[in-house]
Amino acid sequence: GAVVSQHPSRVICKSGTSVKIECRSLDFQATTMFWYRQFPKQSLMLMATSNEGSKATYEQGVEKDKFLINHASLTLSTLTVTSAHPEDSSFYICGGADAGANVLTFGAGSRLTVL
Amino acid sequence: GNSVTQMEGPVTLSEEAFLTINCTYTATGYPSLFWYVQYPGEGLQLLLKATKADDKGSNKGFEATYRKETTSFHLEKGSVQVSDSAVYFCALSNRGYSTLTFGKGTMLLVSP
Repeated sequence: GAVVSQHPSRVICKSGTSVKIECRSLDFQATTMFWYRQFPKQSLMLMATSNEGSKATYEQGVEKDKFLINHASLTLSTLTVTSAHPEDSSFYICGGADAGANVLTFGAGSRLTVL
Repeated sequence: GNSVTQMEGPVTLSEEAFLTINCTYTATGYPSLFWYVQYPGEGLQLLLKATKADDKGSNKGFEATYRKETTSFHLEKGSVQVSDSAVYFCALSNRGYSTLTFGKGTMLLVSP
């Protein structure tokens, strides 16, 4: 079945650095990619939705200049956390859907810790 | 807005015990309801779904019934196994599978 490979699974970085998280769709073309994050003891919250070749649509309260999303191809979407701070420490997970699909396929998630 | 509330974990059970994970929701209209499961090191996987009131979703021995009168979608399994240890997420959507509102997730730990 459809698989989304998300990398890295865990990353620790220093405050002020940038971190890139990649999601690759295997065996299907992810026309749309959804990016979620989950703070401890909180729900998975949608951050942004990206369509291949278009700018991402960000949810209210999510800084687009801080969380850069690139979806330049149908099999790769990236989330870059720029100038990361400890409050950005969270679990980030992507989900890909192909055109007309009725199933959303998730990656395994990336746990970011900013020191 | 939409919201999903599910019981806090971890839920700790012995093998072959009966499982219930409660989930209630608030939504406009008639949302579709889902249970997702995340096994260690893997992505979220759709476990089961229900799209209208009184529908029962079932998969791998798990089942949940869409109860509109109580706005609930509780997950049940008659006899859990160690391999069921995972995090379970209740979710809803008004617009198909693509846009989901999740609960906080409930960790289930099953011991032999």
